Amino acid sequence: RKEVEQDPGPFNVPEGATVAFNCTYSNSASQSFFWYRQDCRKEPKLLMSVYSSGNEDGRFTAQLNRASQYISLLIRDSKLSDSATYLCVVNKQTSYDKVIFGPGTSLSVIP
Amino acid sequence: NAGVTQTPKFQVLKTGQSMTLQCAQDMNHEYMSWYRQDPGMGLRLIHYSVGAGITDQGEVPNGYNVSRSTTEDFPLRLLSAAPSQTSVYFCASSTTGRTAYSADTQYFGPGTRLTVL
Repeated sequence: RKEVEQDPGPFNVPEGATVAFNCTYSNSASQSFFWYRQDCRKEPKLLMSVYSSGNEDGRFTAQLNRASQYISLLIRDSKLSDSATYLCVVNKQTSYDKVIFGPGTSLSVIP
Repeated sequence: NAGVTQTPKFQVLKTGQSMTLQCAQDMNHEYMSWYRQDPGMGLRLIHYSVGAGITDQGEVPNGYNVSRSTTEDFPLRLLSAAPSQTSVYFCASSTTGRTAYSADTQYFGPGTRLTVL
């Protein structure tokens, strides 16, 4: 089993739709969680960190469920510019080399 | 402020050739790392450095060497290129918190697309 798993998609949604991505991780000792965004043929960029209490940034909401070992990303009112691959990132422990990237979920927002 | 820069953007090698991928950052970050990205595999850590003169292996270090003589530069050397090393290579850097090895935001370079024939 991979350490971090994501549904690869692609998710094809119309503009204005709400879409949710899930990510599961296998190591219960994981401590830090992030969502990165990667546009086609570009480098990944931090979208948001994921906190235990959940957090929101505009149209984006991230949730963490430690008991079930998954994190989620909800995008409301999807825009064409949201089309990208979303990478789930988990830090297994307070060690730099333990940052694990998921394979990513592809999102296409269509007019 | 250029952030993280990588050269070259594209490279084609023949099996057995060696080459160096360059990475530089101007943010005075202590941590630098090299990843490779393959379809369906996610980003995998090759080598990383926690400061000048200090490097360590990541998940997939075989076939690669690194050095860190300055804070700014972190080159990745392919010793004898193989088709299995065809990939997109990303260099990343991040700051460090007061405690060691905090998982700070990573800033990525634009990547090097390498093909080994």
